[in-house]
Amino acid sequence: EVQLVESGGGLVQPGRSLKLSCLASGFTFSNYGMNWIRQAPGKGLEWVASISSSSSYIYYADTVKGRFTISRDNAKNTLYLQMTSLRSEDTALYYCARRADNWANWFAYWGQGTLVTVSS
Amino acid sequence: IQLTQSPSLLSASVGDRVTLSCKGSQNINNYLAWYQQKLGEAPKLLIYNTNSLQTGIPSRFSGSGSGTDYTLTISSLQPEDVATYFCYQYNNGDTFGAGTKLELK
Repeated sequence: EVQLVESGGGLVQPGRSLKLSCLASGFTFSNYGMNWIRQAPGKGLEWVASISSSSSYIYYADTVKGRFTISRDNAKNTLYLQMTSLRSEDTALYYCARRADNWANWFAYWGQGTLVTVSS
Repeated sequence: IQLTQSPSLLSASVGDRVTLSCKGSQNINNYLAWYQQKLGEAPKLLIYNTNSLQTGIPSRFSGSGSGTDYTLTISSLQPEDVATYFCYQYNNGDTFGAGTKLELK
């Protein structure tokens, strides 16, 4: 069974940094691209960043480009999101997600999310 | 590609046939999925590629559409279907609709 467990969220002041982690299990992590998706309180879903299986290809939403860095450690089955220069509008529940397959692009697997609150 | 869902709020009775709409700002080429999100839970995949039912999802859920216009139908609304429903396109990047909140009348 695919499991994705996020951690690292919390309360952080504007301008500060935070690093999220997502521990994956139930599949061969190194074979799949991974993603971060966020949801502001009471709002819709926003794709944040993607990373390919070998980290060769990385993509970001314009709203976080230059401030967030997605990375992965295939030996530890872990996905990361380093967030810097945080703003109040980054307040959201951050989900780790995997597509159904490398040829099937819809998001099929989601973690439960980790909450990031940016406030002074 | 921007997705516009309508209505934003829908009230219906148990047993009703319910139709939710999702319209793209350009052709989505059937690369559209639907998710159900209950309060405090992660999104749950219902439908992918416009009309393919995800394993384990009840057959009362169905999807249809083409081009820019897509629909999620619940043939007979059940109490456990109360949730917010999001459409999502993966034809060009990844974008989600703002959601339709479905409540019981």
